Amino acid sequence: QKEVEQNSGPLSVPEGAIASLNCTYSDRVSQSFFWYRQYSGKSPELIMSIYSNGDKEDGRFTAQLNKASQYVSLLIRDSQPSDSATYLCAGLKAAGNKLTFGGGTRVLVKP
Amino acid sequence: GAGVSQTPSNKVTEKGKYVELRCDPISGHTALYWYRQSLGQGPEFLIYFQGTGAADDSGLPNDRFFAVRPEGSVSTLKIQRTERGDSAVYLCASSLSREDTQYFGPGTRLTVL
Repeated sequence: QKEVEQNSGPLSVPEGAIASLNCTYSDRVSQSFFWYRQYSGKSPELIMSIYSNGDKEDGRFTAQLNKASQYVSLLIRDSQPSDSATYLCAGLKAAGNKLTFGGGTRVLVKP
Repeated sequence: GAGVSQTPSNKVTEKGKYVELRCDPISGHTALYWYRQSLGQGPEFLIYFQGTGAADDSGLPNDRFFAVRPEGSVSTLKIQRTERGDSAVYLCASSLSREDTQYFGPGTRLTVL
């Protein structure tokens, strides 16, 4: 089992809808989690970080962490065509340093 | 302020050649990381520096790969006897300290012919 897993997509959503992305992880990456957005040919850009169980909201983005079930999700509300990108989930273990990334989920927002 | 910068942005080399990739982290960030990203995959960890020392080099694939950070700021990733399988985007990231958010540079796209 990979340490961080994501559905590769593409996840196609109409403009204005909610995009829901999921990520599961193993015990080895259990401390902190990060969602990065990566446009084609560009480097990853941090969207959200989440460290404790529950929800964390920032603008149109909501991250959810459930440590008991070992999953972390990202909701994008009112999706815009500019949200079309690959979303990378990454985990950092306690006292760790390296991020462990999933393979990314490609999101396509159609006007 | 200035973000992480990497040079060159693109590097094309021939199999067997030596290459150096440079990373200039955000000013004041003590932690520096190198990752490698192949097409369609997430970044994979290579090496982590805390200050001048390589605190974790467990991700380096073999002894052809080496990295330095002599003054605790700029880092250079060195690849000897390049192989076609080394072709990828090499990403550098920095953070204020070990467990803080990592910010990525634009990457260097390495192509080995």
